[in-house]
Amino acid sequence: SQQGEEDPQALSIQEGENATMNCSYKTSINNLQWYRQNSGRGLVHLILIRSNEREKHSGRLRVTLDTSKKSSSLLITASRAADTASYFCATDGYGNKLVFGAGTILRVKS
Amino acid sequence: GAVVSQHPSRVICKSGTSVKIECRSLDFQATTMFWYRQFPKQSLMLMATSNEGSKATYEQGVEKDKFLINHASLTLSTLTVTSAHPEDSSFYICSARLGRLDIQYFGAGTRLSVL
Repeated sequence: SQQGEEDPQALSIQEGENATMNCSYKTSINNLQWYRQNSGRGLVHLILIRSNEREKHSGRLRVTLDTSKKSSSLLITASRAADTASYFCATDGYGNKLVFGAGTILRVKS
Repeated sequence: GAVVSQHPSRVICKSGTSVKIECRSLDFQATTMFWYRQFPKQSLMLMATSNEGSKATYEQGVEKDKFLINHASLTLSTLTVTSAHPEDSSFYICSARLGRLDIQYFGAGTRLSVL
């Protein structure tokens, strides 16, 4: 069963604005990842943050992790129309599995 | 970066037929591959973990006789949906894990439509 929950379920913003998505999980983790999925396609890995890290940056992406609250956030700055996609967080489960959150559908309007 | 190829991208078949989906790691060896199913506007549901040279490990509720998984080499895993029915229509995605990292590299997915 999925342990991650994400909010919002859907987010619509104007190009140039920042987009923030949140993820909560239930059990202890070694790391948390964020993936992106364009409509009808596979997932693309964006960033991995380890449990002993609090913040990580990659280009226009900023990820935070609060293990005390069992939550993470993904911030996309200066969004572009091409950022339109679904975004999923995933935590490491047992047996090398990933447990995915429900996802946030992001729409960036140009 | 690591590339995973999944084929076919779309398949339409009649009820009762079997469909095979291939997942290949193109530039690395994958001892472990994963098969997911995704319903419209929902997240990924793990179906099974495919291990090279051994039997796949299925998640609870997934029929192993219905969804046959073979991982015959370090670069190829196949999922066969046997005697497909309309309720099997879905988006199936494979992924491969590279080395000790927890990062998974995904295929582009296969849209299965059973008439």
